[in-house]
Amino acid sequence: GIQVEQSPPDLILQEGANSTLRCNFSDSVNNLQWFHQNPWGQLINLFYIPSGTKQNGRLSATTVATERYSLLYISSSQTTDSGVYFCAVQETSGSRLTFGEGTQLTVNP
Amino acid sequence: GAVVSQHPSRVICKSGTSVKIECRSLDFQATTMFWYRQFPKQSLMLMATSNEGSKATYEQGVEKDKFLINHASLTLSTLTVTSAHPEDSSFYICSARDRVGRPSHEQYFGPGTRLTVT
Repeated sequence: GIQVEQSPPDLILQEGANSTLRCNFSDSVNNLQWFHQNPWGQLINLFYIPSGTKQNGRLSATTVATERYSLLYISSSQTTDSGVYFCAVQETSGSRLTFGEGTQLTVNP
Repeated sequence: GAVVSQHPSRVICKSGTSVKIECRSLDFQATTMFWYRQFPKQSLMLMATSNEGSKATYEQGVEKDKFLINHASLTLSTLTVTSAHPEDSSFYICSARDRVGRPSHEQYFGPGTRLTVT
C-alpha cells in the first residue's frame, strides 16, 4: 500500500514563529487532507488539497502531486495551534485514507 | 456544513460485555463511512469501510465477528464491539464521505468515542 511520511515528528515553537510541516507519499493520489487533532481528539479538517495551493487565514498548504509531497505552512503561530497535525492520502487506485504518523506541534507562550 | 457526530463520546464497560457506537452524518448523505481506531500517541488505523446497504469491508487483521458494523441508512453507521476485553480499549473515530456536492473524496470525521474496558 501507499506509504506516508511526515516530518518533523516533533516541533517546538515560540508564539509568533512560522513553521513548515512536510508530507511525502509514495504513489499517485486523488485525495490529500491535512488535519489538526485537538487535545480532545477531534480531527479538524484543515485542507482538502490533492494538488495546488490553498490558504485559510494563517494556514496555507501546497501539494505538488507530480513530486509526491505536500507542505503545510503555519504563520504567526499561537498556543492554540498546539496539537498533532496529520496528513492523510488516498491513492488513485483505492478508496481508503492512509494517515501519516503526525507532527506533534507545541507552541509556547 | 459536513458535520459528523458520534455517540457516546466516552464509555466504560466491563470485560465480556458489548458496546455499540453510533456515527451519524448530520447535514449530508454518506454512502460510505469509515471506522478508525487510534491508540495513545499513535496515528489512526482504518478498521473497516462501511457501505450503505451492503456488508462492510474489513482491513487485514480486524476481526469482523468482534467488530460488527451496520450501515442501515445514508446517515447512520454503527460499530458494535462484542465481548469487549481490556485490549479493545481505544479511541474509535468514524468518518463519512459526502454522496454529492462536495469533493467526492474528502472525508469528514466525527469527534471520536473513547472506550475503556475494565
